[in-house]
Amino acid sequence: AQSVTQLGSHVSVSEGALVLLRCNYSSSVPPYLFWYVQYPNQGLQLLLKYTSAATLVKGINGFEAEFKKSETSFHLTKPSAHMSDAAEYFCAVTRFSGGYNKLIFGAGTRLAVHP
Amino acid sequence: KAGVTQTPRYLIKTRGQQVTLSCSPISGHRSVSWYQQTPGQGLQFLFEYFSETQRNKGNFPGRFSGRQFSNSRSEMNVSTLELGDSALYLCASSSAGTTMNTEAFFGQGTRLTVV
Repeated sequence: AQSVTQLGSHVSVSEGALVLLRCNYSSSVPPYLFWYVQYPNQGLQLLLKYTSAATLVKGINGFEAEFKKSETSFHLTKPSAHMSDAAEYFCAVTRFSGGYNKLIFGAGTRLAVHP
Repeated sequence: KAGVTQTPRYLIKTRGQQVTLSCSPISGHRSVSWYQQTPGQGLQFLFEYFSETQRNKGNFPGRFSGRQFSNSRSEMNVSTLELGDSALYLCASSSAGTTMNTEAFFGQGTRLTVV
C-alpha cells in the first residue's frame, strides 16, 4: 500500500539558507504526491503536487520539489529560507482503498528558521 | 469563493460526554474527509463522505461517526468521550475524490479538549 516517510521530525535553518525537507514514498503504482504546510493552529495548505506531468514541480511561496523515481523521493526545497516559512510540513500520497482514494500523510517535519 | 469552514474552532468537553463537529465544504465540492491530528499519532484519516454516503473509513472505534447532508455539509460525532480524543479535528473537501490527483482543501480545524 502507498505510504510516505518523512526523514527528520525537526529541521532548523538560518534565514537565507537552503531549506531541504525529505520525503520518500512507497508505492507499487505511479504515485500522486503532495506537500502541505500547516501554520500554528491552522489547517493544512497545499504547497504543490506531483501528477506525473513534470518531475520538477514548483509550488507557492518559492517552494519546489523534485520527483525521483530511482530514489523513490519527493524532497521539498526552497533556495532561501524566510522567517515566515517556520511551520510544519507534511508529505502525502494518494492511496486507492475500497474503490476510492484517500490521502495518507507522513509524520510531518517542523521547520524552524533562525535570524 | 469561501473556503472550508469548521465550527466551532475550540471545544472543551468532559469525559463521557458526546460532541458534534461541523464542516461546510467549498461550494460545489461533494467529497468531505475528516482527519484527527495529535502530537503522538500525527494525521489520521477518520472517514470520507461523498454525496451523503460514507465510502471510506479509517481505523477508529465506532464511537466516531459522521454524516453528510444533501448540501454536502458534514458533521462528525464522538460519543462517550475519552481523554485520548483530545485532538485537532480537520475537515477537507475536494471536488470529486475519485481522481488520484484531486487536491484536498482543509479547514482550520476544531480543537477538542477532553477533561
